[in-house]
Amino acid sequence: SQTIHQWPATLVQPVGSPLSLECTVEGTSNPNLYWYRQAAGRGLQLLFYSVGIGQISSEVPQNLSASRPQDRQFILSSKKLLLSDSGFYLCAWSTNRMQETQYFGPGTRLLVL
Amino acid sequence: AQSVTQPDIHITVSEGASLELRCNYSYGATPYLFWYVQSPGQGLQLLLKYFSGDTLVQGIKGFEAEFKRSQSSFNLRKPSVHWSDAAEYFCAVGTIAGGFKTIFGAGTRLFVKA
Repeated sequence: SQTIHQWPATLVQPVGSPLSLECTVEGTSNPNLYWYRQAAGRGLQLLFYSVGIGQISSEVPQNLSASRPQDRQFILSSKKLLLSDSGFYLCAWSTNRMQETQYFGPGTRLLVL
Repeated sequence: AQSVTQPDIHITVSEGASLELRCNYSYGATPYLFWYVQSPGQGLQLLLKYFSGDTLVQGIKGFEAEFKRSQSSFNLRKPSVHWSDAAEYFCAVGTIAGGFKTIFGAGTRLFVKA
């Protein structure tokens, strides 16, 4: 069966520090991968999605970036965190078929101080 | 542009009472519609989805949703709510524009009182 992992589960970082959140998927090949941010009391905002290795699409301008160095690995990064980057970050995957269900990881709670 | 509206930020129902969570979408083509549930501090889990066919779809945990094209709605229902249903519920529409993306509503938080 397929599983999706995210780490760390919780992270507290100072403003201006770098960020690296990792997401890995097991049990499937060539998944579509997604990064979402969920701010307190708000819905999900799609940040990045990827349909293959090295293929990243950005949905909103921001100081975050994403990379997909391997088929089942998706990394969210920042060189310098802002206070506004605080939130709950969710990684998700779906099969490479149109309109398939997305399966979400447990999330990373990021607090920038 | 595609969008999803969940008009109720939060809803409180008594345990055992019926539930309806509203969802309206805006999408030019035939929509692919989803309802997800999120327990506190966790990821999202799919409750049900509609792609085509019967407009009344059954999901897990006793939930169902009805697609009404004329009203651009996909409301989620449950005949009798349990305390464990307290969570946040997200309606979403799948789009094909630019790739396999899903647009989520802002969510409705459900509180269940004894």
